[in-house]
Amino acid sequence: AVQLVESGGGLVQPKESLKISCAASGFTFSNAAMYWVRQAPGKGLEWVARIRTKPNNYATYYADSVKGRFTISRDDSKSMVYLQMDNLKTEDTAMYYCTAAPNWGQGVMVTVSS
Amino acid sequence: DVVLTQTPVSLSVTLGDQASISCRSSQSLEYSDGYTYLEWYLQKPGQSPQLLIYGVSNRFSGVPDRFIGSGSGTDFTLKISRVEPEDLGVYYCFQATHDPWTFGGGTKLELK
Repeated sequence: AVQLVESGGGLVQPKESLKISCAASGFTFSNAAMYWVRQAPGKGLEWVARIRTKPNNYATYYADSVKGRFTISRDDSKSMVYLQMDNLKTEDTAMYYCTAAPNWGQGVMVTVSS
Repeated sequence: DVVLTQTPVSLSVTLGDQASISCRSSQSLEYSDGYTYLEWYLQKPGQSPQLLIYGVSNRFSGVPDRFIGSGSGTDFTLKISRVEPEDLGVYYCFQATHDPWTFGGGTKLELK
């Protein structure tokens, strides 16, 4: 069965950095584009970033709200996808979901607060 | 960026009723390859979102035929006939035609 397990969330202060990870299994990871979606407490879904596969040069795309601050990356040898989040803001507080369409992880909470 | 506007924001129904949710896009969602990358998700309380419909009208594996997606261009609709208790939650439309990809604001389906 497909599994996506996020980790690395926690409480950080504004302007700090955090890197969250997603471990994938149950499918051919290297063939799958990977995405991050977030959901602020009590709010709707917001697409954050995606990374394509090696044949597509690992191209990356970002939501305007995180462009220049967040970096998505992947390690096909480990079936892992990452989201490096720099210069965090209070509005980045959210549950972060790793997705490989149509599968979703359970999410990891990131809280940005002083 | 493409803005997806969902209406209504909330919908109160009686079990067995039909429910209809609209999703309007600020731009046409037909891609240059002729495909329309419009999807519908349901997020049940305390759970991750789950895919219901892809490509406007294709039901994902295991999704009951009570769920019907339709539309084209900028106007899309999700209809749920004979609402059942497991259908309650928040519905989101989502577009993957134009970067950055975007979600609609959500429609909460609840019991009257």
